[in-house]
Amino acid sequence: DTAVSQTPKYLVTQMGNDKSIKCEQNLGHDTMYWYKQDSKKFLKIMFSYNNKELIINETVPNRFSPKSPDKAHLNLHINSLELGDSAVYFCASSQEGRGRFTEAFFGQGTRLTVV
Amino acid sequence: GESVGLHLPTLSVQEGDNSIINCAYSNSASDYFIWYKQESGKGPQFIIDIRSNMDKRQGQRVTVLLNKTVKHLSLQIAATQPGDSAVYFCAENLLTGGGSNYKLTFGKGTLLTVNP
Repeated sequence: DTAVSQTPKYLVTQMGNDKSIKCEQNLGHDTMYWYKQDSKKFLKIMFSYNNKELIINETVPNRFSPKSPDKAHLNLHINSLELGDSAVYFCASSQEGRGRFTEAFFGQGTRLTVV
Repeated sequence: GESVGLHLPTLSVQEGDNSIINCAYSNSASDYFIWYKQESGKGPQFIIDIRSNMDKRQGQRVTVLLNKTVKHLSLQIAATQPGDSAVYFCAENLLTGGGSNYKLTFGKGTLLTVNP
């Protein structure tokens, strides 16, 4: 059983295109995230959603628009793709509550290559 | 090889040796810390965590030490095996948004290579 699944695993596209990455978690968590990992393996949080509500937006360009139709899904739409958007994008989920945080579970990643 | 151009801190050990991976964190208010392992082509995977009211926690072959005075974490892996080869990240968790939301921030990562 896959806990956090994201599709597609690989995405190659031309500059200027619009693309989406989908993420689903079956852990019953109420918080989901998008992280970006660059070529130097640095992992940086982009967005966090709690029960479909945007909680964290780390000054990501507004070409990136997350959408959470329900608490089990968090999709990432990217408009007007640029070369610098090439990276691996990870979706994750965690359970927050009662003033405590539990570990985040990560998907397998989507390798986006913009040409 | 994978490490070319990455400029990650690297640690190379012989199979069977113990490994120690170090991490400095930035915020003294962080109250929860996690070590993740990331194998090539995969997402980060939870190894062990520790809360700020502890200074040591042990798992199976792994131990995490927390020194809040100097804001330092370490991950010790006993009897390192080739399957332990991966990039290891420490992450600190901090309450943000006036204390209402959590934010997990990752450190730079260390590439561990285990030689058979």
